[in-house]
Amino acid sequence: EAQVTQNPRYLITVTGKKLTVTCSQNMNHEYMSWYRQDPGLGLRQIYYSMNVEVTDKGDVPEGYKVSRKEKRNFPLILESPSPNQTSLYFCASSLGRGRGEKLFFGSGTQLSVL
Amino acid sequence: SQQGEEDPQALSIQEGENATMNCSYKTSINNLQWYRQNSGRGLVHLILIRSNEREKHSGRLRVTLDTSKKSSSLLITASRAADTASYFCATDARGSQGNLIFGKGTKLSVKP
Repeated sequence: EAQVTQNPRYLITVTGKKLTVTCSQNMNHEYMSWYRQDPGLGLRQIYYSMNVEVTDKGDVPEGYKVSRKEKRNFPLILESPSPNQTSLYFCASSLGRGRGEKLFFGSGTQLSVL
Repeated sequence: SQQGEEDPQALSIQEGENATMNCSYKTSINNLQWYRQNSGRGLVHLILIRSNEREKHSGRLRVTLDTSKKSSSLLITASRAADTASYFCATDARGSQGNLIFGKGTKLSVKP
């Protein structure tokens, strides 16, 4: 089944404790992206990747890191989480950017930073 | 950088009625897409309309695009309780290098 898999689904952590949210897609998609969703603010893009070893900042990249060492994986790293990073996070992928491709989304990761 | 704005923010209707949601955007686009999100879950792509198209249909969904007004509408006909969800428009703005920018969504509630 074609899908984007995110883990974990729920995560509670404390301020400053490094964490990684994993994202994997099995559709051989070139483009992957991370979003955060907050009430009243909609979805905002954190980082995106056009292909392996190519990553770029989105609208709200501060406090986040990503890497794209393999085509299928695009982990989101919070080196020193803070309470304002409490949010619902989504990973998404598509065949390619700039061609009007539809996005496939993971099920989301609800992160709480205490 | 918010591009699309949905209207209304929330909509409550009875089963069987039609639901119309609107999206306005600010800059020229290559295409506009609509997504659906069930509570707290991942978004699911519904339909894509390109800038040179005016109307598109998919099952009970009808999307229109008016580039002169920079607006789009999503019509769900004969709504069902299962249509209860949030609906988002997303624009592929010209010059944005293809990144989709999402609006804040319309929360639709369909009462049985």
